Amino acid sequence: DAKTTQPTSMDCAEGRAANLPCNHSTISGNEYVYWYRQIHSQGPQYIIHGLKNNETNEMASLIITEDRKSSTLILPHATLRDTAVYYCIVKDDDAGGYQKVTFGTGTKLQVIP
Amino acid sequence: DVKVTQSSRYLVKRTGEKVFLECVQDMDHENMFWYRQDPGLGLRLIYFSYDVKMKEKGDIPEGYSVSREKKERFSLILESASTNQTSMYLCASSLLIGRGETQYFGPGTRLLVL
Repeated sequence: DAKTTQPTSMDCAEGRAANLPCNHSTISGNEYVYWYRQIHSQGPQYIIHGLKNNETNEMASLIITEDRKSSTLILPHATLRDTAVYYCIVKDDDAGGYQKVTFGTGTKLQVIP
Repeated sequence: DVKVTQSSRYLVKRTGEKVFLECVQDMDHENMFWYRQDPGLGLRLIYFSYDVKMKEKGDIPEGYSVSREKKERFSLILESASTNQTSMYLCASSLLIGRGETQYFGPGTRLLVL
């Protein structure tokens, strides 16, 4: 199974860009990189996902390196409401077809006023 | 927007009680999941279902059972609750199966077993 490594915690000033790194050096060719976040006492919220190309949506941008061994989630203008635990996930290979989602311990992002 | 709802946000039960946790999704998703989340352990998959009346064990099914009689509803059952089942329980649903699947989560049920 491809595993991910993220820093335990990060701080970001309100209004600045938050750049959250993730290493997934054992990722295989067809595995997607997903990002979720979990605000305190709520369920995880999907943010964005990608395979090879960089992706952008209304919440964030995802930059995946050319070798796909790492990625960065960018929140362009962090607000206090972005304070959460951010999970980087790589889907498992599963010959049976179901892709189990395995959440690690994530990065706790604290946005500071 | 996908909406996944769970019957309770907080629940307190006694050891030995039978506990039902209900989950409903309104987007006609095929797949539904039950996880538990504990500090330092991340999310762990208990059971999932990819169709009505179908169920598959996840990583930690012991002490739990599930029921999916209708597509939109997936129930988690603790036949005889124990203190080690005190946890945050999260339900999720998804449309696709396989790579590129996005899961949508409910708000969670925080269960305390005394």
